[in-house]
Amino acid sequence: DAGITQSPRYKITETGRQVTLMCHQTWSHSYMFWYRQDLGHGLRLIYYSAAADITDKGEVPDGYVVSRSKTENFPLTLESATRSQTSVYFCASGQRANEQFFGPGTRLTVL
Amino acid sequence: KNQVEQSPQSLIILEGKNCTLQCNYTVSPFSNLRWYKQDTGRGPVSLTIMTFSENTKSNGRYTATLDADTKQSSLHITASQLSDSASYICVVSAVGGANNLFFGTGTRLTVIP
Repeated sequence: DAGITQSPRYKITETGRQVTLMCHQTWSHSYMFWYRQDLGHGLRLIYYSAAADITDKGEVPDGYVVSRSKTENFPLTLESATRSQTSVYFCASGQRANEQFFGPGTRLTVL
Repeated sequence: KNQVEQSPQSLIILEGKNCTLQCNYTVSPFSNLRWYKQDTGRGPVSLTIMTFSENTKSNGRYTATLDADTKQSSLHITASQLSDSASYICVVSAVGGANNLFFGTGTRLTVIP
């Protein structure tokens, strides 16, 4: 009963590098979400997906790319990492748009 | 503008004491309100969810209240334990899709022995 998992849990990279954060859920939830959490801000939605092959932008999508070829996976790619993308990233899934079960998070540091 | 404001930003209480956290929102049209607990280094976990017609919801020692008229919610923690040390996040959903969730910045609670 893994639920929702994220990998890696910690990542250090350099400016300009491409980074992919993985998210996997075992509940067959329709919706999946990516958030970032920074001090002084609430969780901010980056992208979400209502079903396989359907994705949509959230509040802060610039610099990020997502895909969802399978219901259970929702990877987030930073095509060219910047220092401002240093953050904690949370993946979530849910059966409805306003329901989220969160993963454990990935702490990303961009040097 | 849809906003969620939580107070206080941080709180320190003695083990065994009660405390109340506040959430004020301007989100409209209102769908539901959730309280999450986020332990350090972990993802948020839902404690309670309330719709417009509910004004109280309990989960063990956690009791959430909602006043939809004044757009205020509170989370009351009874007989606090060291394990209650965490951030508590209020999330308000507006009617609509996934882009209609509004997160507060949280209250950081520390319970000391």
